[in-house]
Amino acid sequence: NAGVTQTPKFRILKIGQSMTLQCTQDMNHNYMYWYRQDPGMGLKLIYYSVGAGITDKGEVPNGYNVSRSTTEDFPLRLELAAPSQTSVYFCASSYLAGRSGYTFGSGTRLTVV
Amino acid sequence: TQLLEQSPQFLSIQEGENLTVYCNSSSVFSSLQWYRQEPGEGPVLLVTVVTGGEVKKLKRLTFQFGDARKDSSLHITAAQPGDTGLYLCAGGSQGNLIFGKGTKLSVKP
Repeated sequence: NAGVTQTPKFRILKIGQSMTLQCTQDMNHNYMYWYRQDPGMGLKLIYYSVGAGITDKGEVPNGYNVSRSTTEDFPLRLELAAPSQTSVYFCASSYLAGRSGYTFGSGTRLTVV
Repeated sequence: TQLLEQSPQFLSIQEGENLTVYCNSSSVFSSLQWYRQEPGEGPVLLVTVVTGGEVKKLKRLTFQFGDARKDSSLHITAAQPGDTGLYLCAGGSQGNLIFGKGTKLSVKP
């Protein structure tokens, strides 16, 4: 069982560069999420999707973009990387919103220098 | 804005000790979930509780959902080094899950 797969595992970006964090799930979940985790700050929701073609902003969407062209894939795009985007990024999926458990990927550690 | 407060923030104990971690809110949730996260990995779901007053046991871990569905606790009996990690509670309502900031547990052999 692959579950939720994130790539890459680690990445160093220079200020102003762009990149896409990949996320794919094989559980046929409609709901997918992107979180960032900073030390002592918990998980903050960046964007989420309730199904293919539908995305919405979370708590901290500025500087990020997403798309959801298929049920399986939910890539996160960083445009014009800034040091404030240094963080660990987690993708997750769930069968239902709010009541069913989330399955998380293993994360992408991003450093912007 | 719904918030979940976890306490303590850090906990360092010896192998064999018991501990309790708390998750509190002023909001009512339809469900409360607990996750454990190990370094370099994503959170992994431990349990979901949905009924006020519900108690669930998972080996040495006991989870309780408050009667008013505003709080929850996680009790670990005879902690082991393998229990070391970040414990996160998450509350669900009609929208997405709200996560607490976590309790970082260290169990020393």
